[in-house]
Amino acid sequence: RKEVEQDPGPFNVPEGATVAFNCTYSNSASQSFFWYRQDCRKEPKLLMSVYSSGNEDGRFTAQLNRASQYISLLIRDSKLSDSATYLCVVIKAAGNKLTFGGGTRVLVKP
Amino acid sequence: DAGVTQSPTHLIKTRGQQVTLRCSPKSGHDTVSWYQQALGQGPQFIFQYYEEEERQRGNFPDRFSGHQFPNYSSELNVNALLLGDSALYLCASSLAGTGPREPQHFGDGTRLSIL
Repeated sequence: RKEVEQDPGPFNVPEGATVAFNCTYSNSASQSFFWYRQDCRKEPKLLMSVYSSGNEDGRFTAQLNRASQYISLLIRDSKLSDSATYLCVVIKAAGNKLTFGGGTRVLVKP
Repeated sequence: DAGVTQSPTHLIKTRGQQVTLRCSPKSGHDTVSWYQQALGQGPQFIFQYYEEEERQRGNFPDRFSGHQFPNYSSELNVNALLLGDSALYLCASSLAGTGPREPQHFGDGTRLSIL
């Protein structure tokens, strides 16, 4: 079983709609969680950190469920520019090594 | 304030050759991590350098080696290249001691193609 798993998609989303997807992680000792966004043939860029209480950043909402060991990302009022691959990232206690999921591809269409 | 910079941007090699990729960390950062991202997959951790030593290593063969210089810049070396080494190689930098909550930032990457 992979340490971090994501539905690869693609999620085809009408412009203006809401889309949500999850990421599961296997190591219960994981400490920190992030969502990164990656455009085609570009480097991953930090989208947002994920806090235990859940957090919002504009149209993006991230949630953490430690009991079930998953994190989620919800995008409201989807824009064409939201089309990208969203990478779930988990960090264990020491060393700042990032463990990535395989990514979820989102395609927002007019 | 320059972010993480990598060179070269693209590279084409043939099987059996050797390659060296370079990374300069963000100003003020002292730790460099390297990742390999094959097409359609998430990045995979190769290794991390701090104080000119390899501190952590992922599940990669000894053909993958690295180095960190006193100015914190780093090199990734791959020997005896295989077709499967074709990937985007990403470098990320961070500051030791900032803890796991500090996110890492990536360079633009080096796209390596093996023919």
